[in-house]
Amino acid sequence: KAGVTQTPRYLIKTRGQQVTLSCSPISGHRSVSWYQQTPGQGLQFLFEYFSETQRNKGNFPGRFSGRQFSNSRSEMNVSTLELGDSALYLCASSAGQGVHEQYFGPGTRLTVT
Amino acid sequence: SQQGEEDPQALSIQEGENATMNCSYKTSINNLQWYRQNSGRGLVHLILIRSNEREKHSGRLRVTLDTSKKSSSLLITASRAADTASYFCATDAVISSGTYKYIFGTGTRLKVLA
Repeated sequence: KAGVTQTPRYLIKTRGQQVTLSCSPISGHRSVSWYQQTPGQGLQFLFEYFSETQRNKGNFPGRFSGRQFSNSRSEMNVSTLELGDSALYLCASSAGQGVHEQYFGPGTRLTVT
Repeated sequence: SQQGEEDPQALSIQEGENATMNCSYKTSINNLQWYRQNSGRGLVHLILIRSNEREKHSGRLRVTLDTSKKSSSLLITASRAADTASYFCATDAVISSGTYKYIFGTGTRLKVLA
């Protein structure tokens, strides 16, 4: 099976812009989670989607949003970018709720200037 | 604050030696997982241990869990240069019935010298 894919891999944006990141989970996986990783804060949970519904959300401002499509692919959007949003954004998929092993994609490196 | 905190933050050993890293957490858990991350890339799942288990093995990996102390340790035996990576523990936090949030620790950076 193909692994989790994330596009784009690298992105440079300007403060105030908005960005959309994409994640394709492993075939058959229905749960997709997003994480932000920075040197200062480490890995922080953003949100999880299962069957097109957001199941839970971390402590991030409303500028961070996401969605999941019927084929389980997920997108994450960040509006009004701030310098502090520069990070590695990781997507992880799992077979479903109650299945805890997560498979991570390579991440999208976002730089905000 | 992070649910899990790894100790030490960084570890440097010679190839062939054993590496031990520890993880402490704050709340009750259903399971604890260890992941490896190579150089700012995606994480790779290593092993999962359930709250009713005390020890688990997978190849050169040995994980222990002490729920009374809210701590876990990961032992890598006979380390190799390829084991150089950051290692994270992740614990589940129940959000509501049937839904979980995974909280990752701060990580241990392991460097294995050839």
